[in-house]
Amino acid sequence: AQSVAQPEDQVNVAEGNPLTVKCTYSVSGNPYLFWYVQYPNRGLQFLLKYITGDNLVKGSYGFEAEFNKSQTSFHLKKPSALVSDSALYFCAVRDWDYGQNFVFGPGTRLSVLP
Amino acid sequence: GAVVSQHPSRVICKSGTSVKIECRSLDFQATTMFWYRQFPKQSLMLMATSNEGSKATYEQGVEKDKFLINHASLTLSTLTVTSAHPEDSSFYICSASDSGRVYEQYFGPGTRLTVT
Repeated sequence: AQSVAQPEDQVNVAEGNPLTVKCTYSVSGNPYLFWYVQYPNRGLQFLLKYITGDNLVKGSYGFEAEFNKSQTSFHLKKPSALVSDSALYFCAVRDWDYGQNFVFGPGTRLSVLP
Repeated sequence: GAVVSQHPSRVICKSGTSVKIECRSLDFQATTMFWYRQFPKQSLMLMATSNEGSKATYEQGVEKDKFLINHASLTLSTLTVTSAHPEDSSFYICSASDSGRVYEQYFGPGTRLTVT
């Protein structure tokens, strides 16, 4: 069965500092990995995905993530945080060998302090 | 491209009534649509998956007679919450995928349901 862990409920970072939001996953087959951001009372906005190829994936708004197969991780990073990055971040995994369903992590609330 | 809309964005209804939420893919054909439920400060929980023209597949614990899902066309799926109760109050989000990019899901903006 697929599962996703986001070990931190909350991440606080000062504006201008680098940020990392952690994600680890478990799948039986090949993982497709995604990061989404959610602002209050809004749906999910796609940030980036890993399907295959280069382990370092660059996405929207300056975010990037690195797929690490040995550590089964897909941490989200940004070199310089903005106050407007404050939101709820979800990591999701899809096991290609077992259908189309996404499994979402519990979410990490990012607060960027001015 | 790949825009999904939901209507209404917010709805308040009285206990015992039914509410219909629409999910539309605006610029692609959605062969599969998904319905999620999100409680405050919690993650998304998949309720059901529907393929155009066939019955929805519900996740364990989701009452199919209470949450009626219809996917009658390649651009429209509806979720009807029947005989709503206050505990059905939640944020409902749909997503859609097309046959060309089955590994992606495109999410709607969500519908906030409040049952009084």
